[in-house]
Amino acid sequence: AQRVTQPEKLLSVFKGAPVELKCNYSYSGSPELFWYVQYSRQRLQLLLRHISRESIKGFTADLNKGETSFHLKKPFAQEEDSAMYYCALTGKGGADGLTFGKGTHLIIQP
Amino acid sequence: ETGVTQTPRHLVMGMTNKKSLKCEQHLGHNAMYWYKQSAKKPLELMFVYNFKEQTENNSVPSRFSPECPNSSHLFLHLHTLQPEDSALYLCASSQVGGQGYNEQFFGPGTRLTVL
Repeated sequence: AQRVTQPEKLLSVFKGAPVELKCNYSYSGSPELFWYVQYSRQRLQLLLRHISRESIKGFTADLNKGETSFHLKKPFAQEEDSAMYYCALTGKGGADGLTFGKGTHLIIQP
Repeated sequence: ETGVTQTPRHLVMGMTNKKSLKCEQHLGHNAMYWYKQSAKKPLELMFVYNFKEQTENNSVPSRFSPECPNSSHLFLHLHTLQPEDSALYLCASSQVGGQGYNEQFFGPGTRLTVL
């Protein structure tokens, strides 16, 4: 069965410090991995996906197939990064919906 | 209204009631989804519709009944629910097919409380 694990329920760092949100997955095949974010009083939205290898709002995530991980990183945290972050996966094409992790609440302290 | 809308935003119902949640997408997408977000569980996929055809039912109890009359509208009919069904129900849409994966766009959700 496919599964996404986010081991940290809450992560608190100071502004300017590096951030790493962990995500591990299990999937029989080659999944597509994503990070979704939900800011306070806003709806869930896509942050980035592994296939595009992009940096969004200073965040990057590298898919490590050997370790089945897709950790989200940012070198210098900003206060506006405070939000709930969800790691998710789907099979090729995305037509079978997303499997989400439990989410990590990131708090950036001033 | 743009994007994905959901009504009602809040719903309180008794266990013997029948109610429906509505989702509408204004993005021209061909796939729609229902997810359930409980307090202590991750977001759970419930149903998937591609081109108005249900392609996935994630072992959801029959007291939840989806309906997709066209590619822009998705309903979730509720009857004889249990208190443990209280949760945030999220609708999403995407454009599937072609190359790669197109992101899912989420609605604001309906907060359901079953008494």
